[in-house]
Amino acid sequence: DAKTTQPPSMDCAEGRAANLPCNHSTISGNEYVYWYRQIHSQGPQYIIHGLKNNETNEMASLIITEDRKSSTLILPHATLRDTAVYYCIVRYYTGNQFYFGTGTSLTVIP
Amino acid sequence: AAGVIQSPRHLIKEKRETATLKCYPIPRHDTVYWYQQGPGQDPQFLISFYEKMQSDKGSIPDRFSAQQFSDYHSELNMSSLELGDSALYFCASSVQGAVGANVLTFGAGSRLTVL
Repeated sequence: DAKTTQPPSMDCAEGRAANLPCNHSTISGNEYVYWYRQIHSQGPQYIIHGLKNNETNEMASLIITEDRKSSTLILPHATLRDTAVYYCIVRYYTGNQFYFGTGTSLTVIP
Repeated sequence: AAGVIQSPRHLIKEKRETATLKCYPIPRHDTVYWYQQGPGQDPQFLISFYEKMQSDKGSIPDRFSAQQFSDYHSELNMSSLELGDSALYFCASSVQGAVGANVLTFGAGSRLTVL
C-alpha cells in the first residue's frame, strides 16, 4: 500500500473550514484514499473515502488531485468537537491490511 | 445500527499472566482486524481474518494469537504479558468484496493495563 504524508498538527478557528492535506505520491490505480479520525482514545471513526472523483458526505468533502498524488479533507464548518487526530490511509479496496500512518492532530480553537 | 462490540472494555493483569479480548463484528461482516495502540502512539495493525482464516499479519508478537470463529467473532489471546503490552486494543470489521471500497468500522476498544 502507498505511503502517506501528513502535517503533524494544524489549528483551525471554530466555524471556519478545516483543510487537511495528504500526500500519497506512490498511489496506484486501484488504491482508494480513506480518511478516519480518532477523538482522544476512542475507536477510529470513518469519515470519507474516494478513488479518483471528489466526494462529499454529511461530514466532509474529499478533494483528490487529477494525478491522484495528493488529497485534501475539508471540514466545512469546524466545531470544537472536530478536534481529533485525522488519518489519511491508502489501500487496495480488497486488501486485508489497513495501516495507520502518523496523522494530523487538528485543534479547533474557539 | 449495530456496531462492533469489544469486551471487556477494561482489563487489569499482572506481568506473565494471560489475557483474552473478544470482538463481535457487525452482522454480516466477514473480516475482522485487530490493532494495538500504545500511549501517545498511532494504531498498529496486528492481524486480520477473513472468513475465519488468517488473511494478513502485521506487527503481532509471537506471544499473541488470534482466531475467528464460525459466528465470525474473534478473540485475541495474549500470553506472558509484559508491561509494554499495556495499550488500547481495537477491533474493526468490514465486508470484503463490497461494491466500492472496503470500509472498516471500529469498536470502542479494550484497555489493557499490565501491572
